[in-house]
Amino acid sequence: KNQVEQSPQSLIILEGKNCTLQCNYTVSPFSNLRWYKQDTGRGPVSLTIMTFSENTKSNGRYTATLDADTKQSSLHITASQLSDSASYICVVGRGSTLGRLYFGRGTQLTVWP
Amino acid sequence: DTEVTQTPKHLVMGMTNKKSLKCEQHMGHRAMYWYKQKAKKPPELMFVYSYEKLSINESVPSRFSPECPNSSLLNLHLHALQPEDSALYLCASSQVGLAGGLSTDTQYFGPGTRLTVL
Repeated sequence: KNQVEQSPQSLIILEGKNCTLQCNYTVSPFSNLRWYKQDTGRGPVSLTIMTFSENTKSNGRYTATLDADTKQSSLHITASQLSDSASYICVVGRGSTLGRLYFGRGTQLTVWP
Repeated sequence: DTEVTQTPKHLVMGMTNKKSLKCEQHMGHRAMYWYKQKAKKPPELMFVYSYEKLSINESVPSRFSPECPNSSLLNLHLHALQPEDSALYLCASSQVGLAGGLSTDTQYFGPGTRLTVL
């Protein structure tokens, strides 16, 4: 069964601290893995996208890693800001089928001052 | 321009009403998507259009009727909806991958339409 599991479900950190979010997937065949940030009531915004051959990708303070062998990914956020408070969603693309993306339930991150 | 726009932002409708959601992009993307998202849940794929043709319908009830009049526009026509259809409706667009497959390019999402069915 094609699934994407994220942990933790929710996380609270203090402003300026770092954090790491986890994503495990069983989607096969694997095409690519994406991390999105979604503010409440808004559409998701892409942070990174990685294919099978990539094991790390950065976007400013966001760094995603991918281990295709263990089917795990992480999103590391450094020097967190209040504006980082949002849901972070791991999305895995399957095979070559147009539109076949499998969404995790997201990690709700809250950054406190 | 990397923006996907959606109108209206909010919509309240009765179960007997007919309404439409609109989505527009000018990035030259030839794949467009409709998703439904309930609170605290991930988006659920409803429809995919590739080159203005419906390529995926995820067994969506016929009270939702998609339309892609041209490569920049995507509509979702609503009729006889139920209260459980209340949700955030997201539109997205992307490049079409090689051989029509899933592109590694980003799928850009619009801000969504918050739909409430009374």
